[in-house]
Amino acid sequence: EVQLLESGGGLVQPGGSLRLSCAASGFTFSSYAMSWVRQAPGRGLEWVSAISSSGGSTYYADSVKGRFTISRDNSKNTLYVQVSSLRGEDTAVYYCAKDYGLGGYEPFDYWGQGTLVTVSS
Amino acid sequence: DIQMTQSPSSLSASVGDRVTITCRASQSISSYLNWYQQKPGKAPKFLIYAASSLQSGVPSRFSGSGSGTDFTLTISSLQPEDFATYYCQQSHSFPRTFGQGTKVEI
Repeated sequence: EVQLLESGGGLVQPGGSLRLSCAASGFTFSSYAMSWVRQAPGRGLEWVSAISSSGGSTYYADSVKGRFTISRDNSKNTLYVQVSSLRGEDTAVYYCAKDYGLGGYEPFDYWGQGTLVTVSS
Repeated sequence: DIQMTQSPSSLSASVGDRVTITCRASQSISSYLNWYQQKPGKAPKFLIYAASSLQSGVPSRFSGSGSGTDFTLTISSLQPEDFATYYCQQSHSFPRTFGQGTKVEI
């Protein structure tokens, strides 16, 4: 059974940083690209960042480029995102999501339960 | 960036109704269009990929169609468990983008 378990969220002051983690199990983690998707309270889904299966390619939304860094450790089956220079508009539930297949045009077939990041003084 | 626009933003329907949600892309995305269902406090659930392919385990009352820029999600006979918010998402290019969501209410 595929499981994705996020952790690392919490309350942080504006300008602060956090590292979010997503522990994966139940599939060959090193074969699949992964993404982070966030949802601000009462709002829709916003794709944040993606990383290729090897970690060699990364992609970011303009809203987080230069502030967020996605990475992965295939030996630990874990996805990360370092979130820095946080702003109030970064307050959201952050989900990790797995690509459905191995191609370049994949949907997200499994999602974690999410971890809440609250940016407030 | 490719903008995804859903309509309507919300709709009211009854059990047994046929429901159609529309998603429009700002440029052609071929058939790289996916649909998700989300219930309050839960992670999204994957429903349809490549515009019209039903994910395993998803009831056959759900169907998708379209290509290029115009797509639809249809629920043929709405069931109580279908009351939720539905999102389209393009996987044609980065950045991946979602529609703003359509809330299906009783």
